[in-house]
Amino acid sequence: NAGVTQTPKFRILKIGQSMTLQCTQDMNHNYMYWYRQDPGMGLKLIYYSVGAGITDKGEVPNGYNVSRSTTEDFPLRLELAAPSQTSVYFCASSYTGANTEAFFGQGTRLTVV
Amino acid sequence: KQEVTQIPAALSVPEGENLVLNCSFTDSAIYNLQWFRQDPGKGLTSLLLIQSSQREQTSGRLNASLDKSSGRSTLYIAASQPGDSATYLCAVRTGGSYIPTFGRGTSLIVHP
Repeated sequence: NAGVTQTPKFRILKIGQSMTLQCTQDMNHNYMYWYRQDPGMGLKLIYYSVGAGITDKGEVPNGYNVSRSTTEDFPLRLELAAPSQTSVYFCASSYTGANTEAFFGQGTRLTVV
Repeated sequence: KQEVTQIPAALSVPEGENLVLNCSFTDSAIYNLQWFRQDPGKGLTSLLLIQSSQREQTSGRLNASLDKSSGRSTLYIAASQPGDSATYLCAVRTGGSYIPTFGRGTSLIVHP
């Protein structure tokens, strides 16, 4: 099983450029999430989705956009990259329910210069 | 808003010690709590999941306990090894949202 797959693994962007971080899961999970992780700061929620066609903002959504056209895919879009968006980005997915785990991708390390 | 705190932020111990990592949360209406391990530059690996109705879970040398009423969980690592060196994160899923809220983690170094 592939689980949660993120691409690319690394990327360097120039200020003002745009890019899309890809995330796909093959577990038919209804919930999907995007987090960013800065050194010593834990993970902060950017956006989440409870199912295809439904997305909502998390704690730090400014500068990002998402879409969820299918159950499997949840891409994260950066429109005008800024140095403050230098971070490691993690995508995750889960079912609802108390006995269900959240599964994480391996992360995308993004540097904006 | 759920807030999760992990203490200590960093820990350095000699090999063989038994360790306790702490995780506290402010809203006790949780669905579950999950402990993760993160190696430098890597993703998150799930270690243990405790449902809200459970008191503890065990996997090998790891034991996680949950006390919802006091808003606390502990991760106990027995007979620590250098290979246990990593950052340990706890994440709480709160009733109504199912969204994991993370603490900042405990950075563990076990030296030979």
